[in-house]
Amino acid sequence: DAKTTQPPSMDCAEGRAANLPCNHSTISGNEYVYWYRQIHSQGPQYIIHGLKNNETNEMASLIITEDRKSSTLILPHATLRDTAVYYCIVRVRPRSSNTGKLIFGQGTTLQVKP
Amino acid sequence: DTEVTQTPKHLVMGMTNKKSLKCEQHMGHRAMYWYKQKAKKPPELMFVYSYEKLSINESVPSRFSPECPNSSLLNLHLHALQPEDSALYLCASSQEGLRDTPTGELFFGEGSRLTVL
Repeated sequence: DAKTTQPPSMDCAEGRAANLPCNHSTISGNEYVYWYRQIHSQGPQYIIHGLKNNETNEMASLIITEDRKSSTLILPHATLRDTAVYYCIVRVRPRSSNTGKLIFGQGTTLQVKP
Repeated sequence: DTEVTQTPKHLVMGMTNKKSLKCEQHMGHRAMYWYKQKAKKPPELMFVYSYEKLSINESVPSRFSPECPNSSLLNLHLHALQPEDSALYLCASSQEGLRDTPTGELFFGEGSRLTVL
């Protein structure tokens, strides 16, 4: 299974862009990169996902390198409410089932400071 | 309706009790998931149901018994649990299921916090 590596923690000033890196050097060609976040005591929340191309939605942008071995989640204007644990996940399609497993790594704790 | 509803929010049980956690979604999703999360750890996958059939069991002990009565409901039956099973149990659902391209997001509920005494 492809695994992800993220820094355990990061700080960001309120109003500035937060850039969260993720390494997934063993990713396969048909595996997607997902980002979720989890605010304390809540269920994980979907942010964005991508395969090869960069993606943008109302929450964030996802930049995937050309070799797909790493990606960066960008929160363009971080607010205090963005303080959370951010998980970068490679969605695995197991051999015995076509249902893709979402396996969480350790994540990055992002602290947005005033 | 884009919600996954889990009940109860909190549950305290003894090691000899039998209890159940419930999860419900009305988005027409074809796959439903149970995750377990210990404090300060990431969620760990337990089970996946796809089109109401058990698709994945991540070697979970038999004291945890999942059930999918219909496409909208997912239960987790608990029996003879141990104190180390105390955790937040998260339910999730996704639109795609077996044989579908896994491009959709998983919608998570708020979880059921279980304490085993």
